[in-house]
Amino acid sequence: DIQMTQSPSSLSASVGDRVTITCQASQDISNSLNWYQQKLGEAPKVLIYGSSNLETGVPSRFSGRGSGTDFTFTISSLQPEDIATYYCQQYGNLPLTFGGGTKVEMK
Amino acid sequence: EVQLLESGGGFVQPGGSLRLSCAASGFTFSKFVMSWVRQAPGKGLEWVSAVSGSGDKSYYADSLKGRFIISRDNSKNMVYLQMNSLRAGDTALYYCAKDSVVQGVMNHWGQGTLVTVSS
Repeated sequence: DIQMTQSPSSLSASVGDRVTITCQASQDISNSLNWYQQKLGEAPKVLIYGSSNLETGVPSRFSGRGSGTDFTFTISSLQPEDIATYYCQQYGNLPLTFGGGTKVEMK
Repeated sequence: EVQLLESGGGFVQPGGSLRLSCAASGFTFSKFVMSWVRQAPGKGLEWVSAVSGSGDKSYYADSLKGRFIISRDNSKNMVYLQMNSLRAGDTALYYCAKDSVVQGVMNHWGQGTLVTVSS
């Protein structure tokens, strides 16, 4: 199975801050990487697919990049509604696997 | 509008069985891969299983093979997860998810159904 190592596991930032989360795959997955947002008590929602493609309707302050084994997810200007846990997920190989999650809190 | 509604969760003793159901609407059901993803209380997401649009191919997390069976009924727009030999570690919220046109990208999720395995 491909292991997804996500960091940090949590972070605290202020409104307007730039937030970056990293995800490392245990083997080459090309650009087969998604980012999900999960707010408390809600189902996950895909924000970025194929490493860098913004899902329809997702604000442009969210972005992703990377290929191979190293990926980053960025919120360019943190908003109060962005408080959530974020997960990376690879689909380069079955079984699909998720990172451990990053809990983003407001400072 | 895409809607996914899970049901069938509940309380079961170790060794017992449950069948989860997911009712889908708002899209051409037979064209899309459907998945189950679970989340243990306070923990992260774990992909469980997926089934092809036609239902002829199924995929499982390695740790679950032989205990869980995924199926679908395209005439009813339903996907199922038969869970056998349940263990305490299977306690989780089970989500039904629809893939996008890109297999492996889950772009719609239900609200989940809770399975509790305890004696």
